[in-house]
Amino acid sequence: EVQLVESGGGLVKPGGSLRLSCAASGFTFSSYSMNWVRQAPGKGLEWVSSISSSSSYIYYADSVKGRFTISRDNAKNSLYLQMNSLRAEDTAVYYCARDSPESYFDYWGQGTLVTVSS
Amino acid sequence: NFMLTQPHSVSESPGKTVTISCTRSSGSIASNYVQWYQQRPGSAPTTVIYEDNQRPSGVPDRFSGSIDSSSNSASLTISGLKTEDEADYYCQSYDSTLKVFGGGTKLTVL
Repeated sequence: EVQLVESGGGLVKPGGSLRLSCAASGFTFSSYSMNWVRQAPGKGLEWVSSISSSSSYIYYADSVKGRFTISRDNAKNSLYLQMNSLRAEDTAVYYCARDSPESYFDYWGQGTLVTVSS
Repeated sequence: NFMLTQPHSVSESPGKTVTISCTRSSGSIASNYVQWYQQRPGSAPTTVIYEDNQRPSGVPDRFSGSIDSSSNSASLTISGLKTEDEADYYCQSYDSTLKVFGGGTKLTVL
């Protein structure tokens, strides 16, 4: 069974940093591209970043470019999101999502809440 | 970059058919596949349609997807509405480097 479990969310002050993790199991992690998608409270889904299976290709939404860094450790079956210079508008539930071979988000974690507030 | 525009909300009665639209702002809707996700309150999204009109295993055939190049839009149609279909629905597409979601449509089945 495919499982994606996010961790690392919490309360952080504006300008602060946070590192999210996503532990993957039930599939060959190193064979799949992975993504972070976020959802602000009461708002819609927003794609944040993608990373290819071997980390060769990395993409970011304009809203986080230069502040967030996606990475992965295939030996540990883990995906990460380093978030720096956090702003109030980064407050959201952050989901880890797998790319299917057909390039849609086929499995999602349950999300971890990040709150940026003083 | 492009945007995907959805109606904020739709409502329909059980047993009826509803269609949710998703209009692409620039570039052809046919140039990249469109996906549809269902999200119930407090839960992560799940896929109901991928590659414009394909259903993942386990999704009932009451759900169907299509694209219309003349209006540059995609549509999700749900027939035989059930109360359990009440949820938020998001379309999603991509270009070479970005993935884009529509703003979401709240479906009320009343």
